[in-house]
Amino acid sequence: AQSVTQLGSHVSVSEGALVLLRCNYSSSVPPYLFWYVQYPNQGLQLLLKYTTGATLVKGINGFEAEFKKSETSFHLTKPSAHMSDAAEYFCAVRASSGDKLTFGTGTRLAVRP
Amino acid sequence: EADIYQTPRYLVIGTGKKITLECSQTMGHDKMYWYQQDPGMELHLIHYSYGVNSTEKGDLSSESTVSRIRTEHFPLTLESARPSHTSQYLCASSAPGVAGGFYGYTFGSGTRLTVV
Repeated sequence: AQSVTQLGSHVSVSEGALVLLRCNYSSSVPPYLFWYVQYPNQGLQLLLKYTTGATLVKGINGFEAEFKKSETSFHLTKPSAHMSDAAEYFCAVRASSGDKLTFGTGTRLAVRP
Repeated sequence: EADIYQTPRYLVIGTGKKITLECSQTMGHDKMYWYQQDPGMELHLIHYSYGVNSTEKGDLSSESTVSRIRTEHFPLTLESARPSHTSQYLCASSAPGVAGGFYGYTFGSGTRLTVV
């Protein structure tokens, strides 16, 4: 079975500081990995995804993530946080059967002025 | 702009009422999903469908039911609402990938349900 662990339910950074949100996964098959962002009272929006190929993937709003098979990790980073980045972030892995996604418990990012 | 629509956005309803949450998508996707998001923000799959007349229960047991009579429409129904059903309900769909690939979900904006 697939699972996702997001370390840190709340992360707070200063504006302009590095953002690092951690995600570790377990999967019995080569994983498809995703990061989604959720703003208050909204649905989830795809930030970026890893399917195959290049292990460093770039997404929207300046975010990127690196797939590290040896560490079973897919951490999300952004060099310089902006106030508008404050939101809930979810890591997800594709289940081995069908196209169901398993989500992590989410990390709430706060950005201090 | 989202191509998957959920109505209503907010619903406050009394215990025992029957409710239907609507979800429609204009992308022609065969696969659609319902997730329940609890106050702690965790998402749980409660129903999914891989095409017309195909519905399956998800990982989290739910008293709700779904139907898929048309490709674009995937409504969720609660026959008798209870306070324990208070949650946010998110609908999503996914496109077929090339050579069995997968590109992730497109989500609607959600319906926040409160049962009083």
